[in-house]
This record gives sequence, C-alpha cells and structure tokens, in this order.
Amino acid sequence: GENVEQHPSTLSVQEGDSAVIKCTYSDSASNYFPWYKQELGKGPQLIIDIRSNVGEKKDQRIAVTLNKTAKHFSLHITETQPEDSAVYFCAASRNDYKLSFGAGTTVTVRA
Amino acid sequence: NAGVTQTPKFQVLKTGQSMTLQCAQDMNHEYMSWYRQDPGMGLRLIHYSVGAGITDQGEVPNGYNVSRSTTEDFPLRLLSAAPSQTSVYFCASSYSRGHQTYEQYFGPGTRLTVT
Repeated sequence: GENVEQHPSTLSVQEGDSAVIKCTYSDSASNYFPWYKQELGKGPQLIIDIRSNVGEKKDQRIAVTLNKTAKHFSLHITETQPEDSAVYFCAASRNDYKLSFGAGTTVTVRA
Repeated sequence: NAGVTQTPKFQVLKTGQSMTLQCAQDMNHEYMSWYRQDPGMGLRLIHYSVGAGITDQGEVPNGYNVSRSTTEDFPLRLLSAAPSQTSVYFCASSYSRGHQTYEQYFGPGTRLTVT
C-alpha cells in the first residue's frame, strides 16, 4: 500500500515568516495529493490539493508543489499569522477517496 | 446543511463491550469513510463505502464492522472493544463528478477510551 512520510513533525515560526512542510510518497500510481488543517478538537479540513497533472498550485498565502519524479510534494505558507497555528496533514491517493495520510506537522506561529 | 455529524462526542467502554459510532451526512455524498487518529500516526482508513450497500476494508479493519443501508448513514461497530482501539474516530464523506472525486468533508470526531 501507499506510505506517506511527512517532515518535520513540529515547526515553530515567527509571525510573518514562511513555513514549509514536506511529504514523500511511495506509490507511483498516486495522483491526488490533498493537504488538511486540523484545529484543536475539530476534524481535518481541506486547505489545498493538487493532482498529478499539475506541478504547482497557489491559493492566496498557501501553495503546494509536486515533483512526480522524486515522489515528493510540499506545502508552503507565506506571511504566517497566529491563526495558521494548527496540525497539518498531507495525504496521497490513487483514487481520491482512499487517502493515506502523513503523521502530521504541528505548526506554531509565534507572535 | 449540517454537513457530517458524529455521535457520541466522547465514549468510555470496558474491554469486551460493543458499541456503534454513528455517522450521518446530509450532502447526498456517495463516498463515506471511517478513519482513526492516533498520536504520531496521522489518520488511518478503517472502512469505506462507495455507495449504499457497498463497503470495503481500509488499512486497519480488524475489530470493526460497517454497513451502508442508506446514502446518509454509515455506522461503525466495535464488536468487542480492546484497549488498542482507544483513539479518535473520524467519519468523512465526499462526492464525484465524472472520473474525479472531490474533497473529503470530515465530521467533528468521537473520542473513544477503552479501559
């Protein structure tokens, strides 16, 4: 099955700085790569996703890049704000509805 | 729309007891899934369904049963609870258009403790 590794497990950044989270996957047939944000006591919520026919996608302060050859993808958050503090999960799937998740990254934005 | 709802929010069971975690969605989504979340391990897929009457196993199905008699409901049954099933359980739903499936919507979770 698919194996997704996510790094780092914790990330502390100064408000206004950028944050980068990296994931690698093992199944070359995976073609869908979503990123979820989970706030304390809540379920994960999709923040951005990318499919294998696209190398980069951006939505305001959030961007995701995908390198299919190296089988890795990354989440970039620019101009971080206190409300960006949360746990972030990457995931990979070959058929969209069976997601394999990374272990998560706890992001803390220091004011 | 209420989205994806889960009950109960919290539950404590003794080893060997059985129970059902409820999940319902009012978005007419055909896909529904159950995940468990454990510290340092992300979310792992337990069972999933691609439509009413159709279910299949995920990554960690042992000790759990599911059924999908309606589009709206997807209950998860613990047959004989074990301490290893202490976890936070999330239900999710999604839909497709053509060959593409769209984002999974997650419920608020059920925190289960087995003593």
